[in-house]
Amino acid sequence: ELQLVQSGGLLGPPGGSLRLSCVASGFTFGSYEMNWVRQAPGQGLEWLAYISSGGADTKYADSVDGRFTISRDNAENAVFLQLNRLRPEDTALYYCVRSYYTEYFDQWGQGALVTVSS
Amino acid sequence: EIVMTQSPATLSASPGESVTLSCRASQSVNNNLAWYQQRPGQAPSLLMYGTFTRATGVPARFSGSGYGTEFTLTIASLQSEDFAVYYCQQYKRRYSFGQGTKLEI
Repeated sequence: ELQLVQSGGLLGPPGGSLRLSCVASGFTFGSYEMNWVRQAPGQGLEWLAYISSGGADTKYADSVDGRFTISRDNAENAVFLQLNRLRPEDTALYYCVRSYYTEYFDQWGQGALVTVSS
Repeated sequence: EIVMTQSPATLSASPGESVTLSCRASQSVNNNLAWYQQRPGQAPSLLMYGTFTRATGVPARFSGSGYGTEFTLTIASLQSEDFAVYYCQQYKRRYSFGQGTKLEI
């Protein structure tokens, strides 16, 4: 069964750092591009970051460029999102998402809640 | 950045009715347009891609149309499980989502 299983919710202070992880199973992870998308409480969806299947190419939304870093370990079937210089407005549900090449998002993780608060 | 605008924000309908949701792009995305459904407490799921191709398992009562900057999602004969929030997304230039349309009973 195809699955994207995310780590549990995290709490971090403003200015601090957190790392999200997502482990894939049921498909050839190293053949697929991956992304992170977030959803603030009661709000819509915001794409954050993209990483190519081999990990050589990354792209970021302007809102997080320079603060967030996407990476992957194909040997461990895992994708990560490093969140630095946290802001209260980063509080959201974060989803790891598989994309069909650089196109639509065809599989979503269950989400992990990030709370930024002192 | 390509801005996606959905209308209406909220749509009220009854089971058995048909509804049409709209999505507009700030510049042409050709047919690089997807729709997602998000039920309460769940992650979004892919509904439609390439404007009009249904994802695996999506019933035929869902249909998509449009090209360039104007797109629609039509749901015929609404079922109870269709009441959810729907998002459009362009993937021509990076990615951006509309703000969503909440379909309520």
